[in-house]
Amino acid sequence: AQSVSQHNHHVILSEAASLELGCNYSYGGTVNLFWYVQYPGQHLQLLLKYFSGDPLVKGIKGFEAEFIKSKFSFNLRKPSVQWSDTAEYFCAVTANTGTASKLTFGTGTRLQVTL
Amino acid sequence: DGGITQSPKYLFRKEGQNVTLSCEQNLNHDAMYWYRQDPGQGLRLIYYSQIVNDFQKGDIAEGYSVSREKKESFPLTVTSAQKNPTAFYLCASSAVVSNQPQHFGDGTRLSIL
Repeated sequence: AQSVSQHNHHVILSEAASLELGCNYSYGGTVNLFWYVQYPGQHLQLLLKYFSGDPLVKGIKGFEAEFIKSKFSFNLRKPSVQWSDTAEYFCAVTANTGTASKLTFGTGTRLQVTL
Repeated sequence: DGGITQSPKYLFRKEGQNVTLSCEQNLNHDAMYWYRQDPGQGLRLIYYSQIVNDFQKGDIAEGYSVSREKKESFPLTVTSAQKNPTAFYLCASSAVVSNQPQHFGDGTRLSIL
């Protein structure tokens, strides 16, 4: 069974600061990796995803993530955060079995961006 | 607009009562999922279904039941056997291919009176 660890539970940054949120997973096979974001009062939305190919994936709103297979990591980055990035961020993994399978989520990181 | 509709947005349950949460999608997705979200615990999978009339238990299925009689609908019943039902419940759907992302509804917040 797969599992996901997000080590940062609550991050507070000033506007324009750089962001990196950690995500590590455990699974012996090929995986699909996702970052979802939940803005206050809104539903969960997909930020970006990795299935194969270039390990550096770019998502919406200037976010990117790098898959490092040797470290079982998929960290989320943004060079310069904005106040509107205040939200909860979830890393998720699913086994790449070719059919829909269980998404396993991390416990989430609450990002607070101050003006 | 295609999407997932969950109702009601807020739900209150008395002790010993069963309650049913609705989830409807018009995305033509075969797979549907129910998650429970608790503070500091992320999302945990309750049940999922990849096809009509079939569903599987997730990680925390005890005290819950589901049905999948139609492709568009995947209602979740929180039974009286669920001892700690107060939570935020999220429904999702996806195509039946593991590299397709799940789309989420707005959620239902269940509280115990």
